[in-house]
Amino acid sequence: AQSVSQHNHHVILSEAASLELGCNYSYGGTVNLFWYVQYPGQHLQLLLKYFSGDPLVKGIKGFEAEFIKSKFSFNLRKPSVQWSDTAEYFCAVNAVPGTASKLTFGTGTRLQVTL
Amino acid sequence: DSGVTQTPKHLITATGQRVTLRCSPRSGDLSVYWYQQSLDQGLQFLIQYYNGEERAKGNILERFSAQQFPDLHSELNLSSLELGDSALYFCASSVGPGGGYEQYFGPGTRLTVT
Repeated sequence: AQSVSQHNHHVILSEAASLELGCNYSYGGTVNLFWYVQYPGQHLQLLLKYFSGDPLVKGIKGFEAEFIKSKFSFNLRKPSVQWSDTAEYFCAVNAVPGTASKLTFGTGTRLQVTL
Repeated sequence: DSGVTQTPKHLITATGQRVTLRCSPRSGDLSVYWYQQSLDQGLQFLIQYYNGEERAKGNILERFSAQQFPDLHSELNLSSLELGDSALYFCASSVGPGGGYEQYFGPGTRLTVT
């Protein structure tokens, strides 16, 4: 079974600082990878996804992530965070191939951006 | 707005009771997923339906059951409720059944068991 680790539980950054959130997964086969964001009181929204191809993927709101297969990692980055990026960020994986597509989530990283 | 709707938004009930959570997927989506988000367990997959058929099961308790109806809406039934069932229950939907499809999440139902 797959598992996901997010080592940063709570990150506090000043506005304009650069962001990198770590995500490592455990699964021996091919995976699809996702980052979701949950703003306070809101539902999960997809930031970006990796299925195949270029390991550097760009998502919404200036976020990007890099899939490094040898490290089983899919770290999320943003060069300059804004106060509005304050939210909880979840890394998720599902195994390929599969006829079902359940997502396995990490425990989440709470990002707090200060002015 | 993801296009996935869930009702009710909040539910407060007592231990031992039974509740039903409802989810309507995005137009055109055939797959529905249920997830539970709690402080101690995080976000956990419960169950998936595709076009009316159960597709995958996760950490779903025997006291919980779900179904997907011909109009593709889904209901999650929670019975003999315990304090530990208090959580946020999310529904998600996708076009297809497999791993190559993006899941869109609803706003969730917050269940409080007292």
